[in-house]
Amino acid sequence: SYVLTQPPSVSVAPGKTASISCVGNNIGSKSVHWYQQKPGQAPVLVIYYDTDRPSGIPERFSGSNSGNTATLTISRVEAGDEADYSCQVWDSNIDHVIFGGGTKLTVL
Amino acid sequence: QVQLQESGPGLVKPSQTLSLTCNVSGGSISSGGYYWNWIRQPAGKGLEWIGRIYSTGSTSYNPSLKSRVTISLDTSKNQFSLNLSSVTAADTAMYFCARRDCSGGTCYIDHWGQGTLVTVSS
Repeated sequence: SYVLTQPPSVSVAPGKTASISCVGNNIGSKSVHWYQQKPGQAPVLVIYYDTDRPSGIPERFSGSNSGNTATLTISRVEAGDEADYSCQVWDSNIDHVIFGGGTKLTVL
Repeated sequence: QVQLQESGPGLVKPSQTLSLTCNVSGGSISSGGYYWNWIRQPAGKGLEWIGRIYSTGSTSYNPSLKSRVTISLDTSKNQFSLNLSSVTAADTAMYFCARRDCSGGTCYIDHWGQGTLVTVSS
């Protein structure tokens, strides 16, 4: 089965840029979606189709996808961005949703 | 705006069946175009997709759970349900119901319920 690998944690100072990776075999051939989840809350979609932002998501959130790595980038990080971030793809061959293990973003 | 709300027992005994229901408002689950999913998350761990159902009643399940999972629809109540049999402590988790949108050759989750915590314990 298809596996997505994320780093368990990423730390960043306020105002700096955070990058969270999502590694999968030839992931560049798939569309990647990203979710933000704060403690005690349901996930929220922050990036879909690799690079697009849903309505209401700040421009500071961006995404890229190429080769074996997709990346979520958060610019000018704020304290309110501290959360868990998970990547997701859809395996069309078997119609399954696949999530990465999640990355905890800590704002120092 | 579509809203989803999970309901069901918060405590289930080992070897019994976990049963949850998701009530959908703001949209009809029988109108098609979307897939209705169950997703779970053990404390401190990542999200795990359990399975989905479409308005036609067709289902797809995570292979790791397939032998124990049944997802069903009740269009008269605009609800869908999850049954997970023979539960163990490893099934203790927050359970989310969610709507999946599929377009442009991919699928993503665009609406989530708030989640319900299910603990498996005697």
